[in-house]
Amino acid sequence: EAAVTQSPRNKVTVTGGNVTLSCRQTNSHNYMYWYRQDTGHGLRLIHYSYGAGNLQIGDVPDGYKATRTTQEDFFLLLELASPSQTSLYFCASSDHWGGYEQYFGPGTRLTVL
Amino acid sequence: GDQVEQSPSALSLHEGTDSALRCNFTTTMRSVQWFRQNSRGSLISLFYLASGTKENGRLKSAFDSKERRYSTLHIRDAQLEDSGTYFCAAEASNTDKVVFGTGTRLQVSP
Repeated sequence: EAAVTQSPRNKVTVTGGNVTLSCRQTNSHNYMYWYRQDTGHGLRLIHYSYGAGNLQIGDVPDGYKATRTTQEDFFLLLELASPSQTSLYFCASSDHWGGYEQYFGPGTRLTVL
Repeated sequence: GDQVEQSPSALSLHEGTDSALRCNFTTTMRSVQWFRQNSRGSLISLFYLASGTKENGRLKSAFDSKERRYSTLHIRDAQLEDSGTYFCAAEASNTDKVVFGTGTRLQVSP
């Protein structure tokens, strides 16, 4: 069974809309990450967390909030979605920050019209 | 600035041939991880290396243990199911930040 799951898998919203992307991991990992993937950029880190209640800023945080409610659950929030946030979003978990092997979810494709 | 350069950006192979992908790093990296992304967008972890080499079937990866400035992924006897986009991701020794390359699009044809 998949250790990192994401929902929804696809989402379409309009400019100014409110979107929440969910991620759950059953690896018992401390670290969780949100990335976005765009053509020509590879994956870029939005936010990450090293435990429930913790939030750290990544490389491209503007326009995004995140919340880690439990060790298992990490949410990405777009409160005023814009077309520039149309992207493929990945959640990942790892036992430690950065260098330890990261395990990825299946991705959420978000379209902002 | 960009710390990970992947090459080539695109590659076409015939079934049964061998090739190698490469990631060059502008700074010393602590570890590297290789992924394949399939047509549905799923990221599949292939290797995680802190040094040396790892092999799995027709795939083999190496991480330069001396300078820690490059990594390679070798594909032997390419098959149609090897098609996809390959990414490397490396952790910088001085920042603990994981940086992704922009990927190599591989197409294997009969």
